Amino acid sequence: QKEVEQDPGPLSVPEGAIVSLNCTYSNSAFQYFMWYRQYSRKGPELLMYTYSSGNKEDGRFTAQVDKSSKYISLFIRDSQPSDSATYLCAMGQGGSGNTGKLIFGQGTTLQVKP
Amino acid sequence: DSGVTQTPKHLITATGQRVTLRCSPRSGDLSVYWYQQSLDQGLQFLIQYYNGEERAKGNILERFSAQQFPDLHSELNLSSLELGDSALYFCASSGGGYGQPQHFGDGTRLSIL
Repeated sequence: QKEVEQDPGPLSVPEGAIVSLNCTYSNSAFQYFMWYRQYSRKGPELLMYTYSSGNKEDGRFTAQVDKSSKYISLFIRDSQPSDSATYLCAMGQGGSGNTGKLIFGQGTTLQVKP
Repeated sequence: DSGVTQTPKHLITATGQRVTLRCSPRSGDLSVYWYQQSLDQGLQFLIQYYNGEERAKGNILERFSAQQFPDLHSELNLSSLELGDSALYFCASSGGGYGQPQHFGDGTRLSIL
């Protein structure tokens, strides 16, 4: 079993839809959580960063972390064709002595149709 | 633009050869991370350097090595290349150790013929 599980999709939605992307994880030591967006032939671009449980909102994007369920989500409101990309969740352990090593999900491919 | 620069963008070489990938971190970032991305394995952590010192190792093959120089740029050396080493290699940088968000370059696409 992988430490981080993410549905690879592909996920296809009409423009303007609300998109929900999810990851589950098994390592309870994970303390910080990130979402990256990756366009074809480009590097992952940091979208959201969350430490511990809770919600964080940035424009059309909302990240949620539920550590009790070991489940994180990214919501995209009013989705646009320019949101079409692969979305990767990533997480890392906290605590002194730990490094910044990130564990990534497999990525979900999203297509937003005009 | 993340501020992380990777060169070259694309490398084509043959089995058994050796290549060097280069990464310049964002200004002020002390940590450099190397990741490998393949279709079947996704993004996998290889190695981390912090201010010139190796901090952590992941699933990095013995044929691979890295270093971080005093000006904080880093190089990933891949030797005795095999067909299976064909992948995207990404460098990321952050301000320090754990808990810091990492910013990625656009990667080097390595093709082994």
